[in-house]
Amino acid sequence: DADVTQTPRNRITKTGKRIMLECSQTKGHDRMYWYRQDPGLGLRLIYYSFDVKDINKGEISDGYSVSRQAQAKFSLSLESAIPNQTALYFCATSDWGQANTGELFFGEGSRLTVL
Amino acid sequence: AQSVAQPEDQVNVAEGNPLTVKCTYSVSGNPYLFWYVQYPNRGLQFLLKYITGDNLVKGSYGFEAEFNKSQTSFHLKKPSALVSDSALYFCAVRDIRTGANNLFFGTGTRLTVIP
Repeated sequence: DADVTQTPRNRITKTGKRIMLECSQTKGHDRMYWYRQDPGLGLRLIYYSFDVKDINKGEISDGYSVSRQAQAKFSLSLESAIPNQTALYFCATSDWGQANTGELFFGEGSRLTVL
Repeated sequence: AQSVAQPEDQVNVAEGNPLTVKCTYSVSGNPYLFWYVQYPNRGLQFLLKYITGDNLVKGSYGFEAEFNKSQTSFHLKKPSALVSDSALYFCAVRDIRTGANNLFFGTGTRLTVIP
């Protein structure tokens, strides 16, 4: 089983619908992240969390919200999806020691299409 | 401001030939630099990092990277390319602006190794 699991792996939805992407990890890491990947733009940070009580906005948080339900779970929500949120979304984790050197562990991605 | 540039969207190399994937950076202070690889339909995987010390850093799968402070570059290299090296490669720099040690990714370079 993967250390960082994302569900769903693929989702097609319509404009205006609420969507939740879920991430769970078995690595025991404190820090969790949500990124989106767009062709030609690389990865951009949406939100990050240092622990269940610490949630922070990344560079492109508008239109998104997150919830850290437990140390192992970090979900990303799109309250009212729009077409330009069509992208590949990645969850990642790191622990305190590894965070100091930057190593992130990624899930396999959730491809979201908003029609 | 922190930034990384990957000037080539696509690099093609023949199997067995040396490969180079370029990255230049702009940071305030000492750079913390990273390379990640993304295979098709997979999440990103950590390859190597430069924090301090020797300018030549060795990483996974036979890859290495050379830190050049005067040229503000951190190019990824491998002496002999394999077809299995075909993937999307991302350079990243640690973002010290927020104090959160988050990674700021380049736009990626697609490497194709031709048999």
